[in-house]
Amino acid sequence: DTEVTQTPKHLVMGMTNKKSLKCEQHMGHRAMYWYKQKAKKPPELMFVYSYEKLSINESVPSRFSPECPNSSLLNLHLHALQPEDSALYLCASSQGLTSGRAKNIQYFGAGTRLSVL
Amino acid sequence: ELKVEQNPLFLSMQEGKNYTIYCNYSTTSDRLYWYRQDPGKSLESLFVLLSNGAVKQEGRLMASLDTKARLSTLHITAAVHDLSATYFCAGGVSTASKLTFGTGTRLQVTL
Repeated sequence: DTEVTQTPKHLVMGMTNKKSLKCEQHMGHRAMYWYKQKAKKPPELMFVYSYEKLSINESVPSRFSPECPNSSLLNLHLHALQPEDSALYLCASSQGLTSGRAKNIQYFGAGTRLSVL
Repeated sequence: ELKVEQNPLFLSMQEGKNYTIYCNYSTTSDRLYWYRQDPGKSLESLFVLLSNGAVKQEGRLMASLDTKARLSTLHITAAVHDLSATYFCAGGVSTASKLTFGTGTRLQVTL
């Protein structure tokens, strides 16, 4: 099973709202990721959690706040977003970095399509 | 910083024809991934290439890696309509979790 589950599938929010995106995996993966993808563009990395600790923040504005409550769950808290933040938000997970030639393939969820009005 | 370029950006091909998508990367990367994305959908892992000369095949798709030339190719044999999608290559290194994606190649297979 290589399933990464994201909820909700669609989200419409105003610029003053607070909302959260959720991501869950049960593959025993120790690395989890948030990406943002605009139409016809590649995914852009936002955050990486490794062993439940934030290891990479790609200079993402503070209106995006990630949280990793446990090794299976990843949240992205949204507050005071701008219309240009409208995009597909993808969560991914992988085994994490290990020694040797581990493949560390990232498996992606179906995404949350976010519209900010 | 690793940079990854793909070409072409758009490829329209007839069913039954062969073609190749190219993926160049700028600095040392010891792993190269290929993903497929259908419109409005998530990314599906196709291949991971870990060493120079690696070749992987699945159905009508074959991926290869030349680390000396910093080049990976995705070869499509006898294309069928079901292969229409956007294909991304992504480079990574074993010491970091970060993937750097190429620009993507939108493949359209016509009858």
